Amino acid sequence: RKEVEQDPGPFNVPEGATVAFNCTYSNSASQSFFWYRQDCRKEPKLLMSVYSSGNEDGRFTAQLNRASQYISLLIRDSKLSDSATYLCVVNNRRAGSYQLTFGKGTKLSVIP
Amino acid sequence: EAQVTQNPRYLITVTGKKLTVTCSQNMNHEYMSWYRQDPGLGLRQIYYSMNVEVTDKGDVPEGYKVSRKEKRNFPLILESPSPNQTSLYFCASSPIRGAHTGELFFGEGSRLTVL
Repeated sequence: RKEVEQDPGPFNVPEGATVAFNCTYSNSASQSFFWYRQDCRKEPKLLMSVYSSGNEDGRFTAQLNRASQYISLLIRDSKLSDSATYLCVVNNRRAGSYQLTFGKGTKLSVIP
Repeated sequence: EAQVTQNPRYLITVTGKKLTVTCSQNMNHEYMSWYRQDPGLGLRQIYYSMNVEVTDKGDVPEGYKVSRKEKRNFPLILESPSPNQTSLYFCASSPIRGAHTGELFFGEGSRLTVL
């Protein structure tokens, strides 16, 4: 089982739609979780952290299920500017170090 | 302006010709890391550094070297580049607490082609 798995998509959705991305991770000892956004040919940027209790930032909601080792990102009222690749990231702490493992990403295209 | 700067941004070279991709950050971050990104494979970590003179291998270190003699700089060295090192390379940095929280600051990337 790969460390961090995501559905690669692409997800093609109309403006205003709600879309959800899922991510699973294999290391039950993983400590922290994040969603990054990467625009075409650009560097990744942190979108939001994912907390056990779930957290929301405007139209974006992130959820974590530690028992199922599952992370999700929900985008409501999709905008054209949301078109990007969304990367699930897991922090697997090693002794005296940190190891951020990236999923391969899910591509989203929001269509007018 | 807080940033991570990589050079060169684009490079075409030939097999076996040593090259260095520089990375510099002006945020006084302890943690720095190099990734390569390939279609279908995502971002894979090459090397990382927790602080000056402290470096460690990531998932795909073969064919690469790094050094961390100063806090701000973390160059990536390809002693004898091969075509399978053709890739998009990203340098990233973070304060140690940031590494714990996962907020990496990335450079704009260096697209390397080895012929």
